[in-house]
Amino acid sequence: AQSVSQHNHHVILSEAASLELGCNYSYGGTVNLFWYVQYPGQHLQLLLKYFSGDPLVKGIKGFEAEFIKSKFSFNLRKPSVQWSDTAEYFCASYGSSNTGKLIFGQGTTLQVKP
Amino acid sequence: GAGVSQSPSNKVTEKGKDVELRCDPISGHTALYWYRQSLGQGLEFLIYFQGNSAPDKSGLPSDRFSAERTGGSVSTLTIQRTQQEDSAVYLCASGPGPRRDTQYFGPGTRLTVL
Repeated sequence: AQSVSQHNHHVILSEAASLELGCNYSYGGTVNLFWYVQYPGQHLQLLLKYFSGDPLVKGIKGFEAEFIKSKFSFNLRKPSVQWSDTAEYFCASYGSSNTGKLIFGQGTTLQVKP
Repeated sequence: GAGVSQSPSNKVTEKGKDVELRCDPISGHTALYWYRQSLGQGLEFLIYFQGNSAPDKSGLPSDRFSAERTGGSVSTLTIQRTQQEDSAVYLCASGPGPRRDTQYFGPGTRLTVL
């Protein structure tokens, strides 16, 4: 079955540290990849997405992600995290079949210490 | 503009009762999705509506779950004879369509089955 995997379940960083959250998907073909964020008590919000074109995608709040087709990866990065980045992060993809279903990774909880 | 809204925000019910959860998508969005978010299961796809096409019900976990979308706008997710394992946050999302576009999520309905 198609799947999306996030390697880190819980990450703790100090402010100003660099962040990289791993995401891998299990299938080839055309992919549409997303990172969503869920701040405490809030709903899921889109951080960034990749559909085609430049594999380095820039999103909101200084986040970026790089699509590497050969590695089936779409890792999320931020050079310097802030306390306000404390949240849960989800990688997601539509997958290779022609469906509206988003497949989500298990999520990564990021805790940034001030 | 207004985002996706869901009601109620919280619902507590007794095992065996039926519940209805409502979703109001973003105006003009033709795609509507339901997901379930629970501990240990992550985010699971339930059902997808696109315009007037037959819905994709492939994610519904049992025949106790059903959903409808009236007039191409508001959607209701119904769970009959609720069980304790149905306790979760039920998320609705909408998208501008066609498929494989960004999904915009609502705040969710937290369902607790006693």
